[in-house]
Amino acid sequence: ETGVTQSPTHLIKTRGQQVTLRCSSQSGHNTVSWYQQALGQGPQFIFQYYREEENGRGNFPPRFSGLQFPNYSSELNVNALELDDSALYLCASSLSPSGAYNEQFFGPGTRLTVL
Amino acid sequence: DQQVKQNSPSLSVQEGRISILNCDYTNSMFDYFLWYKKYPAEGPTFLISISSIKDKNEDGRFTVFLNKSAKHLSLHIVPSQPGDSAVYFCAEGSGANNLFFGTGTRLTVIP
Repeated sequence: ETGVTQSPTHLIKTRGQQVTLRCSSQSGHNTVSWYQQALGQGPQFIFQYYREEENGRGNFPPRFSGLQFPNYSSELNVNALELDDSALYLCASSLSPSGAYNEQFFGPGTRLTVL
Repeated sequence: DQQVKQNSPSLSVQEGRISILNCDYTNSMFDYFLWYKKYPAEGPTFLISISSIKDKNEDGRFTVFLNKSAKHLSLHIVPSQPGDSAVYFCAEGSGANNLFFGTGTRLTVIP
């Protein structure tokens, strides 16, 4: 059974650029959630995708957007990057969008640095 | 506004002794509480959870206690082992699809 994978591992961008982060969910999981973890903070919920539709969103501006594909993999897109977007971006997959939260399995994250 | 707080950024404990990690929350609507462990360069790994209808849940060396009136959650690790050294996050949910995480406590277990 393959776990949650994310790519790339590290990324450096400049302010104003756009970035796409990718996540492959664990086999059999149809729900993907994205979190942002700034330095010294806990993960903060960005949004969740279930069956290719956004299924809940945290307090993030519209320049944070996402996609989920028929194979349940997902992308996180961030436009007009700002310095404060520098963080570890975590993807978590689960069997369903609700129910026991321990079903959320996290990937290793993508470290984004905005200069 | 931080809904979930872990006021101790770090904790050091001797091997074999008890580790107690604490977490406070403000939202009384939370009905599910979890602890995650995170090693460097890895994503958080689920450790143990408790629903709001219980006040204690045990899994081997790990026990989670919930005090709803005080809005306080704690994790006890007995006995602590060097492999337990990691950052521990508490997280809370309210039936919606997102989790609210604390800022984490770095546990160091000294051999």
